[in-house]
Amino acid sequence: DQQVKQNSPSLSVQEGRISILNCDYTNSMFDYFLWYKKYPAEGPTFLISISSIKDKNEDGRFTVFLNKSAKHLSLHIVPSQPGDSAVYFCAASDRATNKLIFGTGTLLAVQP
Amino acid sequence: NAGVTQTPKFRILKIGQSMTLQCAQDMNHNYMYWYRQDPGMGLKLIYYSVGAGITDKGEVPNGYNVSRSTTEDFPLRLELAAPSQTSVYFCASSENRVNTEAFFGQGTRLTVV
Repeated sequence: DQQVKQNSPSLSVQEGRISILNCDYTNSMFDYFLWYKKYPAEGPTFLISISSIKDKNEDGRFTVFLNKSAKHLSLHIVPSQPGDSAVYFCAASDRATNKLIFGTGTLLAVQP
Repeated sequence: NAGVTQTPKFRILKIGQSMTLQCAQDMNHNYMYWYRQDPGMGLKLIYYSVGAGITDKGEVPNGYNVSRSTTEDFPLRLELAAPSQTSVYFCASSENRVNTEAFFGQGTRLTVV
């Protein structure tokens, strides 16, 4: 039972355009959400997070939107740069169990 | 400040052998996690700990054991290795559950043959 889903395995965008990565969740006990970026042969690195009491958080080129009623969050990267090419993971923290659950990831390719 | 350190980086095991993957963090974090990442798949939570002496099962705990005798260390034990345990293993730590990110180690690539 996949509690955190990233339905797009891959995404390709042109440099300078917007990248939108999506994530859906099923567990209503999730109250904190994070996005991680992962390069090959490295551990994931933190990108941005959002608490369930907010609907938007922005950090430079990265913005995360949370729609609690739809159990959906998205990561916007604008403008996209070739160095953004990586696998992006969505993660959610469960306040009932303390688990940190990850999605399956989306491979973003930013074309120069 | 080394962050999260995992050893070894690579290991080949024969079926039925046992081994311990080491994980240490120097950030005085309470929460620690073990994940595995299979090819083309996401990160699956194996075990986690919210403090010394406390451990809990994650999504895929079968075939593994953990202990948390100190805040710094969170070793993952594989007993009777099986080919299905071939994966990349990541250890992570965080200060607490919310409003803080988890820091990851570089990973251990394990092959069971």
